[in-house]
Amino acid sequence: EAGVAQSPRYKIIEKRQSVAFWCNPISGHATLYWYQQILGQGPKLLIQFQNNGVVDDSQLPKDRFSAERLKGVDSTLKIQPAKLEDSAVYLCASSPMGGATDTQYFGPGTRLTVL
Amino acid sequence: QKEVEQNSGPLSVPEGAIASLNCTYSDRGSQSFFWYRQYSGKSPELIMFIYSNGDKEDGRFTAQLNKASQYVSLLIRDSQPSDSATYLCAVTASYGKLTFGQGTILTVHP
Repeated sequence: EAGVAQSPRYKIIEKRQSVAFWCNPISGHATLYWYQQILGQGPKLLIQFQNNGVVDDSQLPKDRFSAERLKGVDSTLKIQPAKLEDSAVYLCASSPMGGATDTQYFGPGTRLTVL
Repeated sequence: QKEVEQNSGPLSVPEGAIASLNCTYSDRGSQSFFWYRQYSGKSPELIMFIYSNGDKEDGRFTAQLNKASQYVSLLIRDSQPSDSATYLCAVTASYGKLTFGQGTILTVHP
């Protein structure tokens, strides 16, 4: 079974530029998550999708971050414009149903450096 | 108070010893508790989950949960150098939102 795929793996941009990340979850998984992991910290949930609807985006900085999951499969996360403090690893995860007992499977992440 | 707290370490144990990793959480409504391992530069991978009070064993790993004390721990028996990693405690509420602790760095030295 193929795991969660993400691209690109690395990205370096200048502040105020825009950037987009792509995620393809495990086949059949209804729930998709985007996390931000700053060096030395645990992952922080940015947004959770159930199929193509948003379940939780309370920690998404909506003035600069946006995410979509068209057709309930692939998802993109965009940052526009980027700030220095956005430098982090962006992790995508998926789970079968999204319930409290579901296991989340993580992709390899995209390491973003904002200069 | 942080929602999920872990001692950031580093925790250093000799090879063959028992490593004990601890985690406390603030939300009494938390339902599920997960331990993830994260090697440097890699993404988190699930080690164990536990839902009920008590102990749960899987090979060299034992998870312990005490909901009254809002405390969950992970014991690693016969620690190996390959166990050296950051261990993340994560807690879910009702709809699967995972809240992570900051992680504990474990070093197992030969």
